[in-house]
Amino acid sequence: RKEVEQDPGPFNVPEGATVAFNCTYSNSASQSFFWYRQDCRKEPKLLMSVYSSGNEDGRFTAQLNRASQYISLLIRDSKLSDSATYLCVVNPHAGNNRKLIWGLGTSLAVNP
Amino acid sequence: ETGVTQSPTHLIKTRGQQVTLRCSSQSGHNTVSWYQQALGQGPQFIFQYYREEENGRGNFPPRFSGLQFPNYSSELNVNALELDDSALYLCASSLGGASGNTIYFGEGSWLTVV
Repeated sequence: RKEVEQDPGPFNVPEGATVAFNCTYSNSASQSFFWYRQDCRKEPKLLMSVYSSGNEDGRFTAQLNRASQYISLLIRDSKLSDSATYLCVVNPHAGNNRKLIWGLGTSLAVNP
Repeated sequence: ETGVTQSPTHLIKTRGQQVTLRCSSQSGHNTVSWYQQALGQGPQFIFQYYREEENGRGNFPPRFSGLQFPNYSSELNVNALELDDSALYLCASSLGGASGNTIYFGEGSWLTVV
């Protein structure tokens, strides 16, 4: 089993749609969790951290379920500019950010 | 703009050659991590440097080596290049290696090995 697994994608959705990405991780002791966004041929950029209580940033909502070792990202009212690859990232180590474990990413295309 | 700069942005090398990639970290950041991202894959951790010392290494062979300088800039060296080394090489800087500290990526160096 891979350490971090994501929906295979790609997702093709119309503007205004709600889309959800899922991610599971294998190490139950993992400490922190993130969603990154990566545009084509660009570097990854932090979209949001994921907290146990869930967190929201505008149209984006992230959830963490430690019992199920599951992370989600919900995008509401999707825009053309949301088209990108979304990477689930897990930090298995307490106290340091060494060896972040990255999923393969899920590609999202928002269509007019 | 993250303040992390990498050079060169693109390069082509021949199998068996050696390559050096460079990274200038964001001002004030003392930790640099290097990642390899092959096409269609997520980034894979190569190693991290903290205050000029290697501070963790991923599953990469010894022909991948690095340095960090007193100004916290860093180099990634790859010897005996193989075709599978073709990838985007990303440098990320942070202040310390603490969990949850935001890391900032440079735009990457695209390496093609032919």
